[in-house]
Amino acid sequence: QVQLQESGPGLVKPSETLSLTCTVSGGSISNYYGSWIRQPPGKGLEWIGYIFYTGSTNYNPSLKSRVTISVDTSKNQFSLRLTSVTAADTAIYYCARHQPGRPYFDYWGQGALVTVSS
Amino acid sequence: EIVMTQSPATLSVSPGETVTLSCRASQSVSSNLAWYQQNPGQAPRLLIYGASTRATGIPARFSGSGSGTEFTLTISSLQSEDFAVYYCQQYNNWPYTFGQGTKLEIK
Repeated sequence: QVQLQESGPGLVKPSETLSLTCTVSGGSISNYYGSWIRQPPGKGLEWIGYIFYTGSTNYNPSLKSRVTISVDTSKNQFSLRLTSVTAADTAIYYCARHQPGRPYFDYWGQGALVTVSS
Repeated sequence: EIVMTQSPATLSVSPGETVTLSCRASQSVSSNLAWYQQNPGQAPRLLIYGASTRATGIPARFSGSGSGTEFTLTISSLQSEDFAVYYCQQYNNWPYTFGQGTKLEIK
């Protein structure tokens, strides 16, 4: 059974960098896309971006200037970096997996709440 | 960016009833539309993809239809575990976008 697990700091100061890692177990990330999606408390879902196991990426234009997604196939992990955060970046951050040509998610992490506050 | 609009925002229904949720796209997304269910404190769960194909393990009481800009999710014989928030997601054009959700609550 494929499982995804987010990890990283739950509190980040304004103007600093948010960093999260998604560890995939029960299956290889090879031949799959890894995505980051976020959900502000009580609000809807926003797709941040995705990465293929080869390292190819695509980012939401609304966040593109601040986002980097990377992959480490040796650790079966992919990671998110979001720079210059503000309170508006406070959200539950989910990692999820999808197959090539099928950009919808059948496997999600449980989510990690990241609060931006001084 | 394609804007997905779901209606209504909240729907109050009784167990055993049948309900239809709507999702409208600001431009055609063909049949590249998925539906998710989200319970409090949990990640979304994939219900439907390709506008009408049920994901693995999803009960037959969930059905999706539509193409282009108008889509519906129908849940028949509502069970207690069906009261949740439902999101549609288009994956025709990047950035792929979600609707704002419809909350199904017990009447």
